[in-house]
Amino acid sequence: DIQMTQSPSSLSASVGDRVTITCRASQTITTYLNWYQQRPGKAPTLLIYSASTVQSGVPSRFSGRGSGTDFTLTINSLQPDDFATYYCQQSYSTPYTFGQGTNLEIK
Amino acid sequence: QVQLQESGPGLVKPSETLSLTCTVSGGSVNSGTYYWSWIRQPPGKGLEWIGYIYYSGSTSYSSSLKSRVTISLDTSKNQFSLRLNSVTAADTAVYYCARVGRGTDYWGQGTLVTVSS
Repeated sequence: DIQMTQSPSSLSASVGDRVTITCRASQTITTYLNWYQQRPGKAPTLLIYSASTVQSGVPSRFSGRGSGTDFTLTINSLQPDDFATYYCQQSYSTPYTFGQGTNLEIK
Repeated sequence: QVQLQESGPGLVKPSETLSLTCTVSGGSVNSGTYYWSWIRQPPGKGLEWIGYIYYSGSTSYSSSLKSRVTISLDTSKNQFSLRLNSVTAADTAVYYCARVGRGTDYWGQGTLVTVSS
């Protein structure tokens, strides 16, 4: 199975900040990397697929980069709604494993 | 607009079988464009991929669960289902059904299943 490791596990930031979350795969996954946002008590929502394609309806302040084993999710100009938990997931090969999550908190 | 809704018992006894159904509206499980997936989340923990099924009936499962899990499709009812055998307290989680295309783009609201006697 491909292991996905996110860093940091938690992050404190302020409204208006720019933050970056990193995801590393244990082997190459080319660009088969997805990012999700999960607010407390809610189902996850897809933010980015194929490493860098922003899902329809997702604000442009969200962006993704990377290929191979190293990927980043960047959120520009944090808004109050953005304080949530973020997960990466590889869809290169089954099982489609998730990272452990990054909890983004208000400073 | 695609919608998915999980249904099934919220309480299952240890050693018994967990059974959940996902009803899809606004789209067809018979579409060759998508896979239909189950994902779970233990309380306070991260997401765990359980498996998926394709319209043809082909499946793929988590390495750690594949000896106990079955995902099936009922195209006549536009539903897919999850069965997990021999459950323990470690299987207590919110279970989500979801559609997989380019990313997992539609999710059900999730249903909490507690394993307890």
